[in-house]
Amino acid sequence: DTAVSQTPKYLVTQMGNDKSIKCEQNLGHDTMYWYKQDSKKFLKIMFSYNNKELIINETVPNRFSPKSPDKAHLNLHINSLELGDSAVYFCATKEQGLGPLHFGNGTRLTVT
Amino acid sequence: SQQGEEDPQALSIQEGENATMNCSYKTSINNLQWYRQNSGRGLVHLILIRSNEREKHSGRLRVTLDTSKKSSSLLITASRAADTASYFCATDSNAGNMLTFGGGTRLMVKP
Repeated sequence: DTAVSQTPKYLVTQMGNDKSIKCEQNLGHDTMYWYKQDSKKFLKIMFSYNNKELIINETVPNRFSPKSPDKAHLNLHINSLELGDSAVYFCATKEQGLGPLHFGNGTRLTVT
Repeated sequence: SQQGEEDPQALSIQEGENATMNCSYKTSINNLQWYRQNSGRGLVHLILIRSNEREKHSGRLRVTLDTSKKSSSLLITASRAADTASYFCATDSNAGNMLTFGGGTRLMVKP
């Protein structure tokens, strides 16, 4: 069983569309995250979600919204997609306290 | 701007050689972590060093931390072709809630 799984692995869509990326974890971790990795491999934190507390990186446009139906899922919804949204998006989880992040394998989003 | 910056951005060595990657950061930290990313995959945690530690070992990995210089290094000894990957440092400045990553070092180990 994959600990942190993301779907889809690849997503190609047109500008202006709305899309969602799903993330599921079976680790029982309290905190889930979304990161964006650009073409130069820089990783930027987008959101942190823990026990219904959402921490947002202030640089993230409000077209991006995380949605958590339950503790095991944190989905990323993106409205009105733009060319600059093309990137690889990673979901990650962490248990409470000090410890490492556990990453999914990423979703490569291409906006045309 | 990135909290952590890795140096060099790219490194190419022969199998059997040692690889050293450096990371500099800007603000005070609780701990610093190193991750590895193979092409097309997610990041995998390698090692965590707390702010009150100076050195840590895990197999062929050795990590040092100098909080006075706000820098860390990752040494991979006796490198193998399978070590080819990107390596990232990440700093934890806020009691474990958000990790901030650097831009990574792309390591290529030639057989």
